[in-house]
Amino acid sequence: GDSVTQMEGPVTLSEEAFLTINCTYTATGYPSLFWYVQYPGEGLQLLLKATKADDKGSNKGFEATYRKETTSFHLEKGSVQVSDSAVYFCALISGAGSYQLTFGKGTKLSVIP
Amino acid sequence: GAGVSQSPSNKVTEKGKDVELRCDPISGHTALYWYRQSLGQGLEFLIYFQGNSAPDKSGLPSDRFSAERTGGSVSTLTIQRTQQEDSAVYLCASRSTSWYEQFFGPGTRLTVL
Repeated sequence: GDSVTQMEGPVTLSEEAFLTINCTYTATGYPSLFWYVQYPGEGLQLLLKATKADDKGSNKGFEATYRKETTSFHLEKGSVQVSDSAVYFCALISGAGSYQLTFGKGTKLSVIP
Repeated sequence: GAGVSQSPSNKVTEKGKDVELRCDPISGHTALYWYRQSLGQGLEFLIYFQGNSAPDKSGLPSDRFSAERTGGSVSTLTIQRTQQEDSAVYLCASRSTSWYEQFFGPGTRLTVL
């Protein structure tokens, strides 16, 4: 079945540091890939997406590139802020049918001033 | 506009009792999902409704779990004879037919004592 593996947290960074959260996937066919973010006390929000190989999703300074050859979708940000502290989930939807999301376990990011 | 709403936000119950969790999707969204977020299992798909089609129940963990969606809008997730392992945050999401993006509600935190 489909699965998503992302780096274990928690991750603690100083403000303005570079962020990478690794994500790899296993899926049938050609999945669409997503990063969701959950800020403290809030619901899950879509951060960015990519629907085909070599697509780059970007939002709020975050980027991730769909790499079919390495089945990866790593999340990056050049300079994190305290307000980026949250839990980040990598996810995929594969094929047709219910279009349900398959999530990774989540990575908690804490950014300190 | 209004987002996905869920009620109650918190529910504490005793082992063996039945509980009902409610989800109000975004108006006009024909697809509705239930997920469960727990410490041990991460985010798991439970059930999917699309219009008048038969629901996809493939993620329900046992026959103690059931869900219905009345009039193509509000959905209720029912857990019978609750067990301590049912303690989790139950998330509802909805989407339109035209795109994959799922919009999540704030969740219901269920605690089974």
